[in-house]
Amino acid sequence: NAGVTQTPKFRILKIGQSMTLQCTQDMNHNYMYWYRQDPGMGLKLIYYSVGAGITDKGEVPNGYNVSRSTTEDFPLRLELAAPSQTSVYFCASMFPEGGQYFGPGTRLTVL
Amino acid sequence: QQPVQSPQAVILREGEDAVINCSSSKALYSVHWYRQKHGEAPVFLMILLKGGEQKGHDKISASFNEKKQQSSLYLTASQLSYSGTYFCGTEGGGAQKLVFGQGTRLTINP
Repeated sequence: NAGVTQTPKFRILKIGQSMTLQCTQDMNHNYMYWYRQDPGMGLKLIYYSVGAGITDKGEVPNGYNVSRSTTEDFPLRLELAAPSQTSVYFCASMFPEGGQYFGPGTRLTVL
Repeated sequence: QQPVQSPQAVILREGEDAVINCSSSKALYSVHWYRQKHGEAPVFLMILLKGGEQKGHDKISASFNEKKQQSSLYLTASQLSYSGTYFCGTEGGGAQKLVFGQGTRLTINP
């Protein structure tokens, strides 16, 4: 089991560019999540999904978009990148009433 | 509403005990605890469900008082490997989404 994988590990974007952060899990978990973590801070929920075809906003969804066409994949799209989106992005998955399993993260810098 | 963790930071010598508290202003369905080492992803430690549970996991245990909307994480006879930032994540009502506290940085010195 690879668990939760994320690509890329690092990325530098220019202001106004767009990109997709990839997230894949092989544990057949229904629930998947995207968080951002700013330096020295806790995790903020961006979007989450309770199953294929179902997504919902978290605390900080502005500037992001998601889709969930399969159980395994949950990509996060950044449109028109801004310096405020510089952060570390974590994807996670879990079974109902289980713990969340996190991917290794993507460090994104917007210049 | 973000849960409040206390203390914000604690420094111990190896072998000492620590308690980290997590308090919410909302009714809770479950509380999760995670540890994150510098530059790494958070790692799941345990989940406590509604019902006033107490759980143990080697020398790390936790309690959940749903009436007080509080949870505490207990680390006994701390080891160097326990160093890191501990986060609680609270879930309000079966939505299966968490709100995380700001974290407690634990440093264990030899």
